[in-house]
Amino acid sequence: DGGITQSPKYLFRKEGQNVTLSCEQNLNHDAMYWYRQDPGQGLRLIYYSQIVNDFQKGDIAEGYSVSREKKESFPLTVTSAQKNPTAFYLCASSTIRLQGTEAFFGQGTRLTVV
Amino acid sequence: LAKTTQPISMDSYEGQEVNITCSHNNIATNDYITWYQQFPSQGPRFIIQGYKTKVTNEVASLFIPADRKSSTLSLPRVSLSDTAVYYCLVGVYSGNTPLVFGKGTRLSVIA
Repeated sequence: DGGITQSPKYLFRKEGQNVTLSCEQNLNHDAMYWYRQDPGQGLRLIYYSQIVNDFQKGDIAEGYSVSREKKESFPLTVTSAQKNPTAFYLCASSTIRLQGTEAFFGQGTRLTVV
Repeated sequence: LAKTTQPISMDSYEGQEVNITCSHNNIATNDYITWYQQFPSQGPRFIIQGYKTKVTNEVASLFIPADRKSSTLSLPRVSLSDTAVYYCLVGVYSGNTPLVFGKGTRLSVIA
């Protein structure tokens, strides 16, 4: 089945640790995105990438890092510099075309700092 | 990107038609209007997209007036499983620009 897979579903992190969230897609999409969602809030953009080895910061990139070494993969690292990392993290992918593309989302990773 | 305004929450009984209106007064000529649905602890799911007039699919209808400054998502005969947050997005969204989400409309369907 084609789709976008995030792992793990739940992740616990001790303060001061870096953790990496995985995002893999087999939809042959060029663009990939990471969003953060806090309770009762909408999605906020962390990073996005339109092509391998290139990515752009979103609205809340501080304390996060990404890589795009392969078209299929866009891992997100939550660093110790992120002061309030407890949240629901969503990865998405889409084609790139002139107008009106549709984004596909993974099932999310819920990160909790303990 | 065009800013959107939609109600924070709505309640409906099962079997009713639900209409959620989104205002986007500064929509640009090339912008599309797209709606996503999100269930708790899941990623958003694309529902419908349109540019003008009316679009219908197996899930919903989207009504867009001629001036395109607003749009209405219509869900026919809702059931409890339609309880979710619905997001209205306006933009070109070619993949070169990321989707921008507001807080959406929380729809609660009551038995």
